[in-house]
Amino acid sequence: QKEVEQDPGPLSVPEGAIVSLNCTYSNSAFQYFMWYRQYSRKGPELLMYTYSSGNKEDGRFTAQVDKSSKYISLFIRDSQPSDSATYLCAMNRDSNYQLIWGAGTKLIIKP
Amino acid sequence: KAGVTQTPRYLIKTRGQQVTLSCSPISGHRSVSWYQQTPGQGLQFLFEYFSETQRNKGNFPGRFSGRQFSNSRSEMNVSTLELGDSALYLCASSPVVYNEQFFGPGTRLTVL
Repeated sequence: QKEVEQDPGPLSVPEGAIVSLNCTYSNSAFQYFMWYRQYSRKGPELLMYTYSSGNKEDGRFTAQVDKSSKYISLFIRDSQPSDSATYLCAMNRDSNYQLIWGAGTKLIIKP
Repeated sequence: KAGVTQTPRYLIKTRGQQVTLSCSPISGHRSVSWYQQTPGQGLQFLFEYFSETQRNKGNFPGRFSGRQFSNSRSEMNVSTLELGDSALYLCASSPVVYNEQFFGPGTRLTVL
């Protein structure tokens, strides 16, 4: 079993919908949680960075961490076709340790 | 600031050959990590260098090696290429620690 599980999708939703992307993990020591977005033929870019449990909002994006359930989510409000990309979650127990990555979820926003 | 650059962007090699990929991090970033990305396995960590020292290494065979120079530029080398080495190789730089990584566009390696 992988340390971080993420449904590869694809997840296809109509423009304007609220999107929910999720990852589950098995290592309770993880404290730092990140979401990266990767467009086709590009490297990943950091979207959201959270520490421990709770919510963090940045524009249309909200990252949520539930450490008791070992579950993290990324919500995208008012989704746009430009949000179509692969979203990867990543996490580690300490900033001096390598990131452990999910497989990535391919998201398609239909106009 | 200029972003992370990787050269070459595309590479075609045959089995048994060796290849060297190059990465120039963002100015001031001292940590460089390398990843292999394939559709089936996702992003797999190869190794990370900080101030010319390898701090961490992933579960890859010894055919995969790397180094970092005093100007933080990094290279990775794959010897005796196998078909399964075909992948996108990504380099990421960080100011100090792992958590805020900035990725380059990658080098797409095809092994025939």
